[in-house]
Amino acid sequence: DGGITQSPKYLFRKEGQNVTLSCEQNLNHDAMYWYRQDPGQGLRLIYYSQIVNDFQKGDIAEGYSVSREKKESFPLTVTSAQKNPTAFYLCASSPTGRGPLDTQYFGPGTRLTVL
Amino acid sequence: KNQVEQSPQSLIILEGKNCTLQCNYTVSPFSNLRWYKQDTGRGPVSLTIMTFSENTKSNGRYTATLDADTKQSSLHITASQLSDSASYICVVSGSTGGFKTIFGAGTRLFVKA
Repeated sequence: DGGITQSPKYLFRKEGQNVTLSCEQNLNHDAMYWYRQDPGQGLRLIYYSQIVNDFQKGDIAEGYSVSREKKESFPLTVTSAQKNPTAFYLCASSPTGRGPLDTQYFGPGTRLTVL
Repeated sequence: KNQVEQSPQSLIILEGKNCTLQCNYTVSPFSNLRWYKQDTGRGPVSLTIMTFSENTKSNGRYTATLDADTKQSSLHITASQLSDSASYICVVSGSTGGFKTIFGAGTRLFVKA
């Protein structure tokens, strides 16, 4: 998983609660990403950040929020506004976030289950 | 619409056999195509990357091919091992439009002893 850690590995949440997923990287990469993975579907981009204190919405940002206060950290908050939050969440980083040849390296993932 | 479609959805083979996974895409203009391996409950790990000018790339027992004219790629696994049991994801990146990256849904491979 190349220097990217995600915690916790499993997370359970009651409906109506916000929850924050942690992602840390020690690869000195500029860019970081959050994806959601559901059975039978490709990864979908939630948010990405190419530089500290800046981030952009991906394809499915509604109900999620992020921050990028430090280069190595990119936490994702799943809010109560997210209608179907149960999924496997993957964090990734890449050296620059610029250009299609920039390779993304993925963390081990967090499985979130809403009870 | 930019899409990446993989087939088959799942595949069961016996240990030691070969197999080929398919990926068709409509992403245009095309920049590169990657194959990732994802073990259950883990993050994807890159196997190969091919640009427009490359039509084959190997990584050990994994060989990827690309036909940019027909927008098709395949991943061939030789002499399969139990540890090859995983999902294999095809990922295509475009060269414009914010360098859009599209992930396929993956092929789930089961290797049986």
